[in-house]
Amino acid sequence: AQKITQTQPGMFVQEKEAVTLDCTYDTSDQSYGLFWYKQPSSGEMIFLIYQGSYDEQNATEGRYSLNFQKARKSANLVISASQLGDSAMYFCAMREGAYNQGGKLIFGQGTELSVKP
Amino acid sequence: GAVVSQHPSRVICKSGTSVKIECRSLDFQATTMFWYRQFPKQSLMLMATSNEGSKATYEQGVEKDKFLINHASLTLSTLTVTSAHPEDSSFYICSARGGVNPATNEKLFFGSGTQLSVL
Repeated sequence: AQKITQTQPGMFVQEKEAVTLDCTYDTSDQSYGLFWYKQPSSGEMIFLIYQGSYDEQNATEGRYSLNFQKARKSANLVISASQLGDSAMYFCAMREGAYNQGGKLIFGQGTELSVKP
Repeated sequence: GAVVSQHPSRVICKSGTSVKIECRSLDFQATTMFWYRQFPKQSLMLMATSNEGSKATYEQGVEKDKFLINHASLTLSTLTVTSAHPEDSSFYICSARGGVNPATNEKLFFGSGTQLSVL
């Protein structure tokens, strides 16, 4: 079974508008971490935002926020005020267990975001 | 912030040769590094977990004799693709946990990746 599911292979958004990228996860661990990474065409993986399973507030990093709904096991990424430079692949990832218990990340299939001028 | 350097960024080799890829944590000590493989337009697939001073832990289906991983120091891990064949052509990317700084130690930072092409 998929541990991390991103159901949107591709998304389009108008410049300056907000966009939500979906991510659901499956784990029986109580302690876990959820990540979003951006991968432009150059291939590098750029860390965007992190949410710990015990964090009660949704994580925010500048224009990025993570809509964490624990009961629904979803961790959607919201990008506000989209910019042309936001066009890239976006990956949701999960770390099962605490970070000092291994720490490997399992990635979703990715969503390709295209920002239109 | 934490920086991970990966070299080379691109390598082309002949079938049957071996290729070594280096991954260095530049401003922190990484006891654990991870190696991923990615095909075009697909997700990152974890190949192995590399622990300093011990043998790497390989994911199911990954040939450990094919993909040799060495983590000789707290800042360097290497992946050697032995006797490379065209089917080994892929994007390989390493990552490391961001040291002991509480602001970063829960996050993984990635190298810039290596595009391997085997002719």
